[in-house]
Amino acid sequence: DQQVKQNSPSLSVQEGRISILNCDYTNSMFDYFLWYKKYPAEGPTFLISISSIKDKNEDGRFTVFLNKSAKHLSLHIVPSQPGDSAVYFCAASSYNTDKLIFGTGTRLQVFP
Amino acid sequence: EAGVTQFPSHSVIEKGQTVTLRCDPISGHDNLYWYRRVMGKEIKFLLHFVKESKQDESGMPNNRFLAERTGGTYSTLKVQPAELEDSGVYFCASSWGRGDYEQYFGPGTRLTVT
Repeated sequence: DQQVKQNSPSLSVQEGRISILNCDYTNSMFDYFLWYKKYPAEGPTFLISISSIKDKNEDGRFTVFLNKSAKHLSLHIVPSQPGDSAVYFCAASSYNTDKLIFGTGTRLQVFP
Repeated sequence: EAGVTQFPSHSVIEKGQTVTLRCDPISGHDNLYWYRRVMGKEIKFLLHFVKESKQDESGMPNNRFLAERTGGTYSTLKVQPAELEDSGVYFCASSWGRGDYEQYFGPGTRLTVT
């Protein structure tokens, strides 16, 4: 049973517009959420994270929103750039374990 | 600062053979993790070392997989004997200490079992 779900396998956005990637989770014990970005033939690289005590975290063009009641988080990228084209993974962890539980990823394509 | 390195980058073996994957974490990182991604699915946790001790090996698929971390530095993951379903990309990640959620990933080893 998948505890972290990314229901959109792909997303295509025009350069300069906003990209919104979504993630849902089922385990209420998760208290930390992360987004990773992955280019082909490379490992995932950390992008941004949020603790369950917050509902928003911003870092430059990237903002993550957390809605605990809905068990939903989203990553906003604005403005989107062609270099943002990659696979984005949502991941979650809980206080009693350091392992990350990943979603299946969303492939973002930013076109000119 | 050198990142997490993995060797080999790609391995093709026949069913029944043995393969050993190696991971060198970032220097000073106590935590070392192994993950696996099978054909476009999610990245799945395999196990977690704290220094040389196995903290959590709940994700190891079966006893054909053996992981070690010598002296709390590099780690190896041996698959013996390999089966077709073992094919995938094996990622290693490391982090500083307890409660450090941000993990740094290596480039992965693509294992193909034919």
